[in-house]
Amino acid sequence: EIVLTQSPATLSLSPGDRATLSCRASHSVGIYLAWYQQKLGQAPRLLVYDASSRASGIPARFSGSGSGTDFTLIISSLEPEDFAVYYCQHRNNWPPTYSFGQGTKLEIK
Amino acid sequence: QVQLHQWGVGLVRPSETLSLTCAIYGESLSGYYWSWIRQPPGKGLEWIGEINHSGSTTYNPSLKSRVIMSVDTSKNQFSLKMTDVTAAETAVYFCAREKSIVAPPFDYWGQGNLVTVSS
Repeated sequence: EIVLTQSPATLSLSPGDRATLSCRASHSVGIYLAWYQQKLGQAPRLLVYDASSRASGIPARFSGSGSGTDFTLIISSLEPEDFAVYYCQHRNNWPPTYSFGQGTKLEIK
Repeated sequence: QVQLHQWGVGLVRPSETLSLTCAIYGESLSGYYWSWIRQPPGKGLEWIGEINHSGSTTYNPSLKSRVIMSVDTSKNQFSLKMTDVTAAETAVYFCAREKSIVAPPFDYWGQGNLVTVSS
């Protein structure tokens, strides 16, 4: 099973800053990595899938990149509503399960 | 617009069975896989298992012996039962749809239900 490791655990930035979040896979996952945003008390929201495809309705300031084992989510200019926890996720072929990273908390500096 | 609405018992005693149901609006069960995912308070996400409209299931190997998922196509709903629960399984439980692509992510989610396991 693929293990996903996110860094940093916490990122302290200000509105208007650029945020760079990392997700590293224990083995190659090709392009099959997704990113989610979760706000307190809410369900996760799909941001990016297949490493770089933005989900429906997601603002252009969110962009994903990477392939193989190293992936990045960039938020180009932080809005107040972007401060949340972000998770990466992969669907394993065998065993057929899902792996999630442990999350990166993006907090206001 | 696809919406998932879920419900179930919020307090379960240790060793008893947790039960949750998820109703789908704006989309048919057919053509997709549907998952359950949980999140202990203050912690990360754990996938529990998935089911499709014909009842084909895949479970997380670590939970497989205690999980039962089912579908009711007439009501466009699917359900989760987890037996012999422990306090460590206190969590918010979510239902979610798997986007219909290779290595699918979860594109629609229920609102979540906090299930507390306590005597």
